[in-house]
Amino acid sequence: DIQMTQSPSTLSASVGDRVTITCRASQSISSWLAWYQQKPGKAPKLLIYKASSLESGVPSRFSGSGSGTEFTLTISSLQPDDFATYYCQQYNSYSLTFGGGTKVEIK
Amino acid sequence: EVQLVESGGGLVQPGGSLRLSCAASGFTFSSYEMNWVRQAPGKGLEWVSYISSSGSTIYYADSVKGRFTISRDNAKNSLYLQMNSLRAEDTAVYYCARFASRGSARPDAFDIWGQGTMVTVSS
Repeated sequence: DIQMTQSPSTLSASVGDRVTITCRASQSISSWLAWYQQKPGKAPKLLIYKASSLESGVPSRFSGSGSGTEFTLTISSLQPDDFATYYCQQYNSYSLTFGGGTKVEIK
Repeated sequence: EVQLVESGGGLVQPGGSLRLSCAASGFTFSSYEMNWVRQAPGKGLEWVSYISSSGSTIYYADSVKGRFTISRDNAKNSLYLQMNSLRAEDTAVYYCARFASRGSARPDAFDIWGQGTMVTVSS
């Protein structure tokens, strides 16, 4: 299985900060990577697919980049609604795997 | 409104069985590939199983292979997960989730998720 490693596991930031989360794959996954946001007690929400494509309805302050084994999710100006846990997920093969998550906390 | 609603969770003893259901509405269910994804309390997300739109192709995570069975009834717009020989480590919220694309013939991101149903395996 392809292992997905996210960093950091926790991130403390303030409203207005630029935030970057990294996801590394154990082998090349081309651009077959998605990012999700999850709030406590809720289902995950798709933010980014194919590494850099913004899902419909997702604010433009969210962006994704990367290919191969290194990917990033950037929030250009953190908003109060963005405090949540973020997961990357590879879909290069049918053995789908997620990163361990990054919790974005209020500083 | 596009919606997935899971049901069937509950408390079950180790070694027991449970059948989860997922009711789809607001989209042409028979055109989409579907999955089950779980999340243990306080932990991350784990993909469990995939089924193609027709039901002819199925995949499982190694952790559930031989114990869980995914199926669907396109006439009833429903997805199922039969869970047998349950273990404490199967305790989790189980989500049904839709692949974003129709008939892409490759894996995809999950664009629609249900609200989840909790399964607790304990004596």
